[in-house]
Amino acid sequence: AQSVTQPDIHITVSEGASLELRCNYSYGATPYLFWYVQSPGQGLQLLLKYFSGDTLVQGIKGFEAEFKRSQSSFNLRKPSVHWSDAAEYFCAVGAPGGYQKVTFGIGTKLQVIP
Amino acid sequence: KAGVTQTPRYLIKTRGQQVTLSCSPISGHRSVSWYQQTPGQGLQFLFEYFSETQRNKGNFPGRFSGRQFSNSRSEMNVSTLELGDSALYLCASKTPEGPYNEQFFGPGTRLTVL
Repeated sequence: AQSVTQPDIHITVSEGASLELRCNYSYGATPYLFWYVQSPGQGLQLLLKYFSGDTLVQGIKGFEAEFKRSQSSFNLRKPSVHWSDAAEYFCAVGAPGGYQKVTFGIGTKLQVIP
Repeated sequence: KAGVTQTPRYLIKTRGQQVTLSCSPISGHRSVSWYQQTPGQGLQFLFEYFSETQRNKGNFPGRFSGRQFSNSRSEMNVSTLELGDSALYLCASKTPEGPYNEQFFGPGTRLTVL
């Protein structure tokens, strides 16, 4: 069965600093990988996704993620964090094929300090 | 195109009661999934419906049930509510006919059980 681990429950960064959120997955083949963001009181919004091809994926709001098969990781990065990036971030893994279940990590709550 | 809508947004019930939540997917999306989100547990998959049939199911007791109508709208029912059922319930829709698993989330229904 597929699984996702987000080892950091809370992260605090200063505005303008760089950010990296960690995600490790477990799946027998090449998975479909996603990062979602959830602002307070809101549903989840897709930041970016990886299916195949270039392992460095660009998303919305200046985020990017890199798929590393050897490390089973799909870490999310942003070079300079803005106060509006404070939110909860979820990594998710799904098997290829639209009929498969998607499994979410427990989430990482990002706090941005001025 | 309108996004995923969920009603009601907030709900307060007492133990032992039952509750029904509603989700209207994006037009053209025939798959609807439900998730329970609680602090520290992340998103827990409840079930997925496609063309009025339950296709996937998570590890929740039988008190949690759902259905989907011919217009793809979905309802989720929880009977004999317990305090631990207090959570944000998220609905997501997608088009499973393609190879991808990208889901679009609604804002959620916040259920409080007293």
